[in-house]
Amino acid sequence: DVKVTQSSRYLVKRTGEKVFLECVQDMDHENMFWYRQDPGLGLRLIYFSYDVKMKEKGDIPEGYSVSREKKERFSLILESASTNQTSMYLCASSRPGQGAYQPQHFGDGTRLSIL
Amino acid sequence: GEDVEQSLFLSVREGDSSVINCTYTDSSSTYLYWYKQEPGAGLQLLTYIFSNMDMKQDQRLTVLLNKKDKHLSLRIADTQTGDSAIYFCAEKEALQGNTGKLIFGQGTTLQVKP
Repeated sequence: DVKVTQSSRYLVKRTGEKVFLECVQDMDHENMFWYRQDPGLGLRLIYFSYDVKMKEKGDIPEGYSVSREKKERFSLILESASTNQTSMYLCASSRPGQGAYQPQHFGDGTRLSIL
Repeated sequence: GEDVEQSLFLSVREGDSSVINCTYTDSSSTYLYWYKQEPGAGLQLLTYIFSNMDMKQDQRLTVLLNKKDKHLSLRIADTQTGDSAIYFCAEKEALQGNTGKLIFGQGTTLQVKP
């Protein structure tokens, strides 16, 4: 079974802090993704990575950055946390393959509160 | 760009069948997925269908695909209170090559009343 592990289930930080959310997968997947989920807005893609050190902006990258130094780990960074970044953050991974069966596998999520 | 639409809410009684609908715009989609999200948890892959199939059955779950109308549905037979969750449909974005990027619908909240 694919295992995607997010470092924290719940996190409380203060406005202006630099926040790191960590995600690790154990299936040697090339692709990794960060989403945020807010009521009524569904899943919104923040950033994704299709290889080590490669990253692409998603739909809402502002205020975030990412790091992919190792294949199994994808970090989301809030450079200066703000209250509007309070949300549920979900990490996912998938294997490559154009047109192939490649579902995304999700972690349990991190509920982040910025005070 | 591609889009995936779902109704936001469905309420059924325990023991009834539930049908969750989804429409998509990308006619070149190869795989379409259904995910389930229980409260406070991540998304769990429930089932999928390949685009050359019309129907796929997996125990209480039946997926129907109408490619002409770009309509996907998930039927849950004998719905139980444990089926209460948010259900997302997703398709692969055709232009993304190997990146594995999926487009998700907004999710349908299924409420099962005892």
